[in-house]
Amino acid sequence: GAVVSQHPSRVICKSGTSVKIECRSLDFQATTMFWYRQFPKQSLMLMATSNEGSKATYEQGVEKDKFLINHASLTLSTLTVTSAHPEDSSFYICSARDLAGVRGQYFGPGTRLTVT
Amino acid sequence: ILNVEQSPQSLHVQEGDSTNFTCSFPSSNFYALHWYRWETAKSPEALFVMTLNGDEKKKGRISATLNTKEGYSYLYIKGSQPEDSATYLCALNAGGTSYGKLTFGQGTILTVHP
Repeated sequence: GAVVSQHPSRVICKSGTSVKIECRSLDFQATTMFWYRQFPKQSLMLMATSNEGSKATYEQGVEKDKFLINHASLTLSTLTVTSAHPEDSSFYICSARDLAGVRGQYFGPGTRLTVT
Repeated sequence: ILNVEQSPQSLHVQEGDSTNFTCSFPSSNFYALHWYRWETAKSPEALFVMTLNGDEKKKGRISATLNTKEGYSYLYIKGSQPEDSATYLCALNAGGTSYGKLTFGQGTILTVHP
């Protein structure tokens, strides 16, 4: 149980285009999902907290207009990187917390974004 | 900004060796400490959630201890096997207004040689 999928696993896009990444909880409902970014040799850094049916909460320094988050259902959150630039190239990973919230977060496998 | 540090950054051991690594965190901000194992191309897998000072948890050959007063947790692997090769992450849930948010360390990369 507690499986989170993420799609795509890898994407290459041209500078100026937008990319959507999906995060799904497959066998449980998640009112809260989290989006992280990891640069090489660095730790996972929280970008935003996504709550079903409400606006996402962004961490300091994360541009909300650039990283659009939608959490329209209890099993799906999406992250859209708008007008991507090479500096947005990174590893993006989502996690979902079950309704009880006592077992921490369950992670997807991540998405490697390369902007050329 | 919470600072969670893990050491060492990487570790190479021989099959059968026992090993341990450390996660340090600010003792003044604590709700829970999480350990994850992250194999390449897979999702991070939750190992332990630790909340109480002095807590000790065990899962097979892997165990963890927690000292919230001094701000550290140890992860131990007994009789390492090649399949234990992975990155081990710890993450702090500081509670309060940060409840639910996890601050991660950089991880310890473990390689077990046959």
